[in-house]
Amino acid sequence: EADIYQTPRYLVIGTGKKITLECSQTMGHDKMYWYQQDPGMELHLIHYSYGVNSTEKGDLSSESTVSRIRTEHFPLTLESARPSHTSQYLCASSEPTGADEKLFFGSGTQLSVL
Amino acid sequence: SQQGEEDPQALSIQEGENATMNCSYKTSINNLQWYRQNSGRGLVHLILIRSNEREKHSGRLRVTLDTSKKSSSLLITASRAADTASYFCATGNDYKLSFGAGTTVTVRA
Repeated sequence: EADIYQTPRYLVIGTGKKITLECSQTMGHDKMYWYQQDPGMELHLIHYSYGVNSTEKGDLSSESTVSRIRTEHFPLTLESARPSHTSQYLCASSEPTGADEKLFFGSGTQLSVL
Repeated sequence: SQQGEEDPQALSIQEGENATMNCSYKTSINNLQWYRQNSGRGLVHLILIRSNEREKHSGRLRVTLDTSKKSSSLLITASRAADTASYFCATGNDYKLSFGAGTTVTVRA
């Protein structure tokens, strides 16, 4: 089992609320990622980080923001949630093995915006 | 845009049978990886094959890679009920992995 944790597992909120999805890893990995996954669809990279104070947008445009103040913590924030944000959000980290990096995933947060 | 694309989308087999799924990709890669996702959980890394390798084994898993056809296959031998999951290929290039939509495998007892 990977030591990467996401909270909450499930979140149901109303439109317009500000939310933060938490992701923490205890493996000391520098690189961390957020993917968005809808049923039967490919995973979309929405944010990634190479290390502390480094954040980049991924392939899929997202209205969310991320921060990386500590190595182990990579939270994702939505300032004003909308029904279109309903999705599963997966956090991952990778160990530094050069070109052969493999990802360790958390269990995900299933977000439903009403 | 999607880099890896799995085929078939879904597969149903009897326990003990083999399951084969394929992945096609579009651009050059450093490596190709396969991941498994159980329902409602995150993805778990299964196996990695480098671009200069043609075949790799890990337990009941066998992966092949054909860079000339830009395709890979994952074979699960002697399937078990616990193999029921979605399987994703991911292509590695530069700093990140790109995932397909997955193949959903159901193993019937």
